[in-house]
Amino acid sequence: ETGVTQSPTHLIKTRGQQVTLRCSSQSGHNTVSWYQQALGQGPQFIFQYYREEENGRGNFPPRFSGLQFPNYSSELNVNALELDDSALYLCASSWGLAAQETQYFGPGTRLLVL
Amino acid sequence: GDSVTQMEGPVTLSEEAFLTINCTYTATGYPSLFWYVQYPGEGLQLLLKATKADDKGSNKGFEATYRKETTSFHLEKGSVQVSDSAVYFCALSDNTGGFKTIFGAGTRLFVKA
Repeated sequence: ETGVTQSPTHLIKTRGQQVTLRCSSQSGHNTVSWYQQALGQGPQFIFQYYREEENGRGNFPPRFSGLQFPNYSSELNVNALELDDSALYLCASSWGLAAQETQYFGPGTRLLVL
Repeated sequence: GDSVTQMEGPVTLSEEAFLTINCTYTATGYPSLFWYVQYPGEGLQLLLKATKADDKGSNKGFEATYRKETTSFHLEKGSVQVSDSAVYFCALSDNTGGFKTIFGAGTRLFVKA
């Protein structure tokens, strides 16, 4: 069974640029959630995708957008990068929509915005 | 809005000591509650969960009981080991008005031999 993978592992961008982060779900999972984790903080929920549709969204501006593909892999896109976007970005996969489902986390992509 | 508050760390204990990490929550719906753990150099992983009031989650000697009356989900272990040193996150998930998960800020635990 393949776990959740994310790419790239590290990324450096400058303010105003755009970035795309990628996530491959664990085998058999059809739901992907994305989180932003600032240093020393807990993860903050960005949004969730279920069967290619956005199913829920946290308090993030529209410049944070996502996609889920038919194979359930996913992308997180961030436009007009700001310094405060520097963080670890985590994706997590799970099965179905139920809130009690366990989420399986990837290792994350560390983004630095200069 | 929904929120999770957990005790600030770091918490430093000697091996075989009793551990409690407090977690309280506010939620408009009927959330499921989780404890996730992040060991040094590793990703977040589920430690235990409880999906309804009075449920007890347990794993690896850790326990937590979903207390609706006190809106709490405190993590306990009777005898900690050095290998339990990690950051522990309390979290809730809710489907009310669309899915969301809220994490606490995390509590770092150091266990000394």
